[in-house]
Amino acid sequence: GAVVSQHPSWVICKSGTSVKIECRSLDFQATTMFWYRQFPKQSLMLMATSNEGSKATYEQGVEKDKFLINHASLTLSTLTVTSAHPEDSSFYICSARAGASYNEQFFGPGTRLTVL
Amino acid sequence: EDQVTQSPEALRLQEGESSSLNCSYTVSGLRGLFWYRQDPGKGPEFLFTLYSAGEEKEKERLKATLTKKESFLHITAPKPEDSATYLCAVQAMNYGQNFVFGPGTRLSVLP
Repeated sequence: GAVVSQHPSWVICKSGTSVKIECRSLDFQATTMFWYRQFPKQSLMLMATSNEGSKATYEQGVEKDKFLINHASLTLSTLTVTSAHPEDSSFYICSARAGASYNEQFFGPGTRLTVL
Repeated sequence: EDQVTQSPEALRLQEGESSSLNCSYTVSGLRGLFWYRQDPGKGPEFLFTLYSAGEEKEKERLKATLTKKESFLHITAPKPEDSATYLCAVQAMNYGQNFVFGPGTRLSVLP
């Protein structure tokens, strides 16, 4: 149980284009989903938290107009990197929490974004 | 300031050589401490949740313990497949449902 998938697993795009990353909870309903960014040999940095049907809450320093998050259903959240630039190249990981009674976060496999 | 640190930064063990990884935290109102394993290029894999001092959890060769200031992940007779980065994360009153992650310990187990 508690499986989270991400798609795509990797993507290469040209500077200025937008990229959408999907995060799905496969065997449970995720009331809350989280998006993280991870640089090589560094730990996870929380970008934003999203609750189903609500606007995402962004961490300080994360541009909400650049990183659009939509949590339209209890099993799907999307992260869109708009007008991507080389500095946006990173490993993006989502996680999901099953509900208020559960504190654990279950992580997806991550998406490697490379912006040329 | 709330902080989560892990030591050592990197650890190399021979197969069968037991050791412990440390996660120290200074947060107000600990709600939970979580251990994850992360393989290169993959998302973290959940291992344990600890809620109160004195609590212990075990899974195969791993055992996690918690005190009021730190947590230890003990690895008994490790195998090469235990090589990974081990992350601890803390959930505290100040952060609601969010986690604060430590920097991780990179473990290498040599055959």
